[in-house]
Amino acid sequence: AQSVTQPDIHITVSEGASLELRCNYSYGATPYLFWYVQSPGQGLQLLLKYFSGDTLVQGIKGFEAEFKRSQSSFNLRKPSVHWSDAAEYFCAVGRNSGNTPLVFGKGTRLSVIA
Amino acid sequence: NAGVTQTPKFQVLKTGQSMTLQCAQDMNHNSMYWYRQDPGMGLRLIYYSASEGTTDKGEVPNGYNVSRLNKREFSLRLESAAPSQTSVYFCASSLTGLGGYTFGSGTRLTVV
Repeated sequence: AQSVTQPDIHITVSEGASLELRCNYSYGATPYLFWYVQSPGQGLQLLLKYFSGDTLVQGIKGFEAEFKRSQSSFNLRKPSVHWSDAAEYFCAVGRNSGNTPLVFGKGTRLSVIA
Repeated sequence: NAGVTQTPKFQVLKTGQSMTLQCAQDMNHNSMYWYRQDPGMGLRLIYYSASEGTTDKGEVPNGYNVSRLNKREFSLRLESAAPSQTSVYFCASSLTGLGGYTFGSGTRLTVV
């Protein structure tokens, strides 16, 4: 079965600084990978996804993520964080066949300070 | 606006009471899901429906039942609520099991 680890529970960055949120997955074949963002009191919104092809994927709100098969990672990055990026971020992994539901990591809470 | 609609948004139950959480999507999606979110636990799958007419258990199905009423609607029922079921419940849908999910805004349930 697939699994996802987000090693950082909480990260604080200064506004304007760069951001990297880590995600490691476990799955024997090529996974489908996703990043979601959850603002306080809201549902989850899809930021970006990786199915195949170019290992660097662009998403909404200026985010990008890079799939590294050798490291079983799919880290989320943003070059310059805005205060509105403060939220919880979830990485998720799915199988590339069938209808097996996504498995989510436990999330990383991002705080942004002035 | 198109999307996933959950009702109610908030609910307080007494231990032993029953209730049904409603979820409807208007995107003609085939698959629907129920997750619960607890602090430090992320999202855990309760039940899902890969297509109309099918339902399957997820990671934490005990104490819950589901009904895929039609392609649009997927309800979650708590027959006898327990304090351990205090949580935020999210419904989601996807066109196929492989795509990104669209989430509802959640139901915050408190069982006292």
